[in-house]
Amino acid sequence: EAGVTQFPSHSVIEKGQTVTLRCDPISGHDNLYWYRRVMGKEIKFLLHFVKESKQDESGMPNNRFLAERTGGTYSTLKVQPAELEDSGVYFCASSHPGDTQYFGPGTRLTVL
Amino acid sequence: GESVGLHLPTLSVQEGDNSIINCAYSNSASDYFIWYKQESGKGPQFIIDIRSNMDKRQGQRVTVLLNKTVKHLSLQIAATQPGDSAVYFCAENPPNTGFQKLVFGTGTRLLVSP
Repeated sequence: EAGVTQFPSHSVIEKGQTVTLRCDPISGHDNLYWYRRVMGKEIKFLLHFVKESKQDESGMPNNRFLAERTGGTYSTLKVQPAELEDSGVYFCASSHPGDTQYFGPGTRLTVL
Repeated sequence: GESVGLHLPTLSVQEGDNSIINCAYSNSASDYFIWYKQESGKGPQFIIDIRSNMDKRQGQRVTVLLNKTVKHLSLQIAATQPGDSAVYFCAENPPNTGFQKLVFGTGTRLLVSP
């Protein structure tokens, strides 16, 4: 069974630019989550989808972040415009309802 | 507030020793706890979990202990191997989130010397 995949693995952009991260969950997982880890800090929850619906977006830092999951399959996380403090590793995870969350390898975002 | 912390940022052990990684959590109502292992360049990998109605759970070479009285979680790795070198995160599931939101600690780096 293929795991959670994320693209790109690494992105380097300048402050003010836009970046879109993609996550493909494990096939059949209705639940999809975004987390991020900024330098030296813990991994923090951003939001949670159930199929195409946002179930909990309490962790989204501000309105520069937009997550979508059209069709309930893959998800994108757009940062526009990117700021220096957005640098970090963005993880996606997926699961069956109430089950273990399986994480992808992450996208390392560097904002210069 | 919700927070999960770790006592030691780095733990160095010799191959073959047993390792114990500790974690303190702050929300006494959390009902589900997980340990993840993260190797360089990879995402967190599930190791073992435990629900709040249990004190101990064993897997292959790993044991998780939960002490709800002092809000403490530990991961024991038996006969530690070089391949166990990684950062270990504990995570808790706060109440009323339907097992859908994880709160992570900052992580402990385990270094295993041959």
